[in-house]
Amino acid sequence: QVQLQESGPGLVKPSETLSLTCTVSGVSVSSGSYFWSWIRQPPGKGLEWIGYVYYSGTTNYNPSLKSRVSMSVDTSKNHFSLKLTSVTAADTAVYFCARDSSTYNGLDVWGLGTTVTVSS
Amino acid sequence: SSELTQPPSVSVSPGQTARITCSGDVLPGQYAYWYQLKPGQAPILVIYKDTGRPSGIPERFSGSTSGTIVTLTISGVQTEDEADYYCQSALSNGTLLFGGGTKLTVL
Repeated sequence: QVQLQESGPGLVKPSETLSLTCTVSGVSVSSGSYFWSWIRQPPGKGLEWIGYVYYSGTTNYNPSLKSRVSMSVDTSKNHFSLKLTSVTAADTAVYFCARDSSTYNGLDVWGLGTTVTVSS
Repeated sequence: SSELTQPPSVSVSPGQTARITCSGDVLPGQYAYWYQLKPGQAPILVIYKDTGRPSGIPERFSGSTSGTIVTLTISGVQTEDEADYYCQSALSNGTLLFGGGTKLTVL
C-alpha cells in the first residue's frame, strides 16, 4: 500500500524558509512512472498546486511561486522535499504531498497534509 | 482564461443526484480530474481523465464532459459523500490548475 507522509516545522517566521519533507512508502521515488507533487490549501481557501519533482531532478513549478520554490528528491531516503523562501502570512496553509501519474491518471495518492503557520 | 470555475455549493437530499460543474477554456484540450476532500483526511481522486473511475471508488461517482464544461455526477447520494469537491486540469506547459472547490451538503 502506497503511503505519503508530510513532515516539517509547523511554525515558520516571516522572511524565513519553509522546509517540508514527504516520506514515501510502498513505492520507490525512483520510479519513472510518477511525478512527486506539492499542493497547498490556505485557511478557508481552495487548493493551489505548488509544483512537482521527477526522480531525475526535473522540476515544474507554479509560475506564481517559481521565484521562491525549490524541490528535490532523495532516492536513498525515499523522500522528496519542498523549500519555499521569504515566506509571509500568505504562505500559511495546509501543505499536501501527492503522487502524480506520468500517464495522466491524476494525483492518485495524497498525504494527510501538514499545517504550516507563518508568524513571528 | 486559465481558470476553472465551480459553484461554491451544491445541496441535495440523500438518494438524490448531485451534479457539480467545472468550466474553463482549457477543458476541451486537457483532461479533467475530480478530488474529494474531507477535514482531517487525505484527499481522494474520484474521477480521472474526464470519465475514469479509480479502483475502489463507488459506481455512483461518474464524470462527463461537454466542450468547456466537465461535470461530476453522484447518483444516489449518501451522507458520507458530504465533502468538498475540486476539479483539476492542466495547462499545456504542465502547470496544474484547480477549481475553487464546491461544498456538497447532504441535507
